[in-house]
Amino acid sequence: GESVGLHLPTLSVQEGDNSIINCAYSNSASDYFIWYKQESGKGPQFIIDIRSNMDKRQGQRVTVLLNKTVKHLSLQIAATQPGDSAVYFCAETGFYGQNFVFGPGTRLSVLP
Amino acid sequence: DADVTQTPRNRITKTGKRIMLECSQTKGHDRMYWYRQDPGLGLRLIYYSFDVKDINKGEISDGYSVSRQAQAKFSLSLESAIPNQTALYFCATSELGQTSYNEQFFGPGTRLTVL
Repeated sequence: GESVGLHLPTLSVQEGDNSIINCAYSNSASDYFIWYKQESGKGPQFIIDIRSNMDKRQGQRVTVLLNKTVKHLSLQIAATQPGDSAVYFCAETGFYGQNFVFGPGTRLSVLP
Repeated sequence: DADVTQTPRNRITKTGKRIMLECSQTKGHDRMYWYRQDPGLGLRLIYYSFDVKDINKGEISDGYSVSRQAQAKFSLSLESAIPNQTALYFCATSELGQTSYNEQFFGPGTRLTVL
């Protein structure tokens, strides 16, 4: 079946540096792409989403980029902080929020 | 108080037993979801409900059933538990935000072990 995947299972960055987490998707019919953050022992937490008709969307310290040509999604975190250490999941869904499909996740470790 | 609660938080059971996991929410959201999380596989959608009278199968519904007793309650049942249903189970809710239903609010999870 169609799925969402990730290039890098782990990522270590220095505190203050920018982080880039990547994701490849296979369902070109998906309407939304979403990033979630999961801290140890907790449920996932919504970060940001982007609709398929957009290339870029910015939030607070985060930017999501969508490249439909190569079916690639990325999450950029500016000035990475220790509190950003977590597992990050990309997900995709249809226009009406049906059938969320999550990727396997990338663990981000922020080094002091 | 937590907006999305799950009971029990941990459960150990034996193969063949019937198990029910419960989810309650005080957010007033119409949409509720059940996921399971396995190491290295992320979250996989089991069932979702857009309102009390609506139930939809997700990616991995086989071996599971659900009941939406009220807007605030969504239960997941394993009719006859098997060891490969050992996982972390999450309930989530959502409502229409500015443009989408994509902001899901997750409960703390239920860790289920089937021996």
